[in-house]
Amino acid sequence: AQSVTQPDIHITVSEGASLELRCNYSYGATPYLFWYVQSPGQGLQLLLKYFSGDTLVQGIKGFEAEFKRSQSSFNLRKPSVHWSDAAEYFCAVVNTGGFKTIFGAGTRLFVKA
Amino acid sequence: ETGVTQTPRHLVMGMTNKKSLKCEQHLGHNAMYWYKQSAKKPLELMFVYSLEERVENNSVPSRFSPECPNSSHLFLHLHTLQPEDSALYLCASSQNTMNTGELFFGEGSRLTVL
Repeated sequence: AQSVTQPDIHITVSEGASLELRCNYSYGATPYLFWYVQSPGQGLQLLLKYFSGDTLVQGIKGFEAEFKRSQSSFNLRKPSVHWSDAAEYFCAVVNTGGFKTIFGAGTRLFVKA
Repeated sequence: ETGVTQTPRHLVMGMTNKKSLKCEQHLGHNAMYWYKQSAKKPLELMFVYSLEERVENNSVPSRFSPECPNSSHLFLHLHTLQPEDSALYLCASSQNTMNTGELFFGEGSRLTVL
């Protein structure tokens, strides 16, 4: 069965520092992969997605993610974090057949001044 | 205004009450979803509707009853809930159920069962 693991429950970074959030997936075929962000009291918003092609994908708000098949990873990165990036981040994979999105447990990002 | 609107945003109910959560999408999508978000757990898919037809019922207790009268509206009827059902219930929509695109989420309905 497909699964998504986000090893870090929470991460704290200083404003202006770089960020990397880890995501590992378990899937038999080429996956469709997503990163979503959830601000407090809000629903989830798509940051970026990977279907095929270039393994480095760009998203909104200055985020990017790199698909590494050999490591079954899809880590999210941002070169310089802003205080407004404090939120919870969810990695997700779409299952075979396409209608069930499986989410990781999330990583909560704290940004300190 | 978001493309997916959920009401109410907050709901407190007793275990013997009957209430409903409502979701409306203004995006012209054909698929709608209910997810349950509990603290420290991954989002749990509850139900999927495609063109008003239920295509997924993910072993959800019968005390949760979905209804999709048209492709723009989705309800979750609640009755005789348990305290462990307290959670954030998120509605989402997508263009169709071949989910190669993104899910659009509402802001959620925070449910507390006393």
